[in-house]
Amino acid sequence: GQGVEQPDNLMSVEGTFARVNCTYSTSGFNGLSWYQQREGHAPVFLSYVVLDGLKDSGHFSTFLSRSNGYSYLLLTELQIKDSASYLCAVRDLLSAGNKLTFGIGTRVLVRP
Amino acid sequence: GPKVLQIPSHQIIDMGQMVTLNCDPVSNHLYFYWYKQILGQQMEFLVNFYNGKVMEKSKLFKDQFSVERPDGSYFTLKIQPTALEDSAVYFCASSPGTGGDERLFFGHGTKLSVL
Repeated sequence: GQGVEQPDNLMSVEGTFARVNCTYSTSGFNGLSWYQQREGHAPVFLSYVVLDGLKDSGHFSTFLSRSNGYSYLLLTELQIKDSASYLCAVRDLLSAGNKLTFGIGTRVLVRP
Repeated sequence: GPKVLQIPSHQIIDMGQMVTLNCDPVSNHLYFYWYKQILGQQMEFLVNFYNGKVMEKSKLFKDQFSVERPDGSYFTLKIQPTALEDSAVYFCASSPGTGGDERLFFGHGTKLSVL
């Protein structure tokens, strides 16, 4: 079957970093995406990874290990406005039309 | 950036009635989706739609649900009749489907309250 797991909550301090972990199981991995969702708003695309390794996008980086079914989103130099839910989503090879399976989302709270 | 618009933002309806949720996807996008999110729970896939047809639907996409996009206008989700468990936020999304662009663009959601 297919499943995406994330921790529910994560708290960190302004100016430091936060690492949001995601583990997944799928019958045929075909890419993993990260989205940011603020309360009452639409999810916004952050990153897409399909190959192993670290992908640096400035304020955040994403890591993927396909053999371990594991990814993380690393937010650096945290600002208060980074407080939001971060959703991990996986695409399955057997799925038609780019269907994504989402995790529950990790609620990141950045405090001063 | 590209925007997906959803109308209305909130709909209150009595159980058993019909409701239509409207979505104006990003122009020139080829794939369209509906997701359902109950407060505090994960975003769950309902259905995706391409070239005028449903490509895949989940178990949540009950027989009472239907989707269509007549003549390239709104992409709609119709529920007839509604049930209490249909109360949730429904997110519409669209994606280019070309050039390896994997991004989904989401609307702000329609909060459906079934009484």
